[in-house]
Amino acid sequence: DIQMTQSPSTLSASVGDRVTITCRASQSISYWLAWYQQKPGKAPKLLIYKASSLESGVSSRFSGSGSGTEFALTISGLQPDDFATYYCQQYDSYSRTFGQGTKVEIK
Amino acid sequence: EVQLVESGGGLVQPGRSLRLSCTASGFSFGDYALSWVRQASGKGLEWVGFIKSKRYGGTTEYAAPVKGRFTISRDDSKSIAYLQMNSLKTEDTAVYYCARDRRGGVRITQDYYYMDVWGKGTTVTVSS
Repeated sequence: DIQMTQSPSTLSASVGDRVTITCRASQSISYWLAWYQQKPGKAPKLLIYKASSLESGVSSRFSGSGSGTEFALTISGLQPDDFATYYCQQYDSYSRTFGQGTKVEIK
Repeated sequence: EVQLVESGGGLVQPGRSLRLSCTASGFSFGDYALSWVRQASGKGLEWVGFIKSKRYGGTTEYAAPVKGRFTISRDDSKSIAYLQMNSLKTEDTAVYYCARDRRGGVRITQDYYYMDVWGKGTTVTVSS
């Protein structure tokens, strides 16, 4: 299976900050990568697909980049509603795998 | 409104079986693949498996930890997908989500799916 490694595991930031979460795949996945946001007790929400395509209805504060094995999710101008856990997930293989998650906390 | 609702969770003893349902509304269910994803308490997300739409073969794929024990099926006439879980283990304890799969790309030998709409989840506890 393709392994996905996110960093950092936890990120402390303030409202208004620009933050970046990185995700590394154990082998090339081209651009077949999605990013999800999850809040406590809630289902995940799709933010980005195909590495950099913004899902309809998602704030343009969120952007994705990368291809191959290195990817990033950037949140520009962190808002209170953005404090959550973020997961990357590859879908290059039918056996899909998630990163371990990055928790964005209030500093 | 596009919606997925899981049901059927509960407490079950190790070695027993349980069947979860995922009822869809607000979209043409038969046109989409459907995934199941689980999350143990305080842990990350784990993809369990998926079923393609009949248009693309209706085939299934599973994650290694559940292969041979779990089976995904679908009834397009009722807009319901099922996750049949047999020989349950304590490590199967989790919240189980169903998610609609959007077919996001195709190449010669493969198509690519990502999850765009999720249900709220149902809790499965495997314990004696």
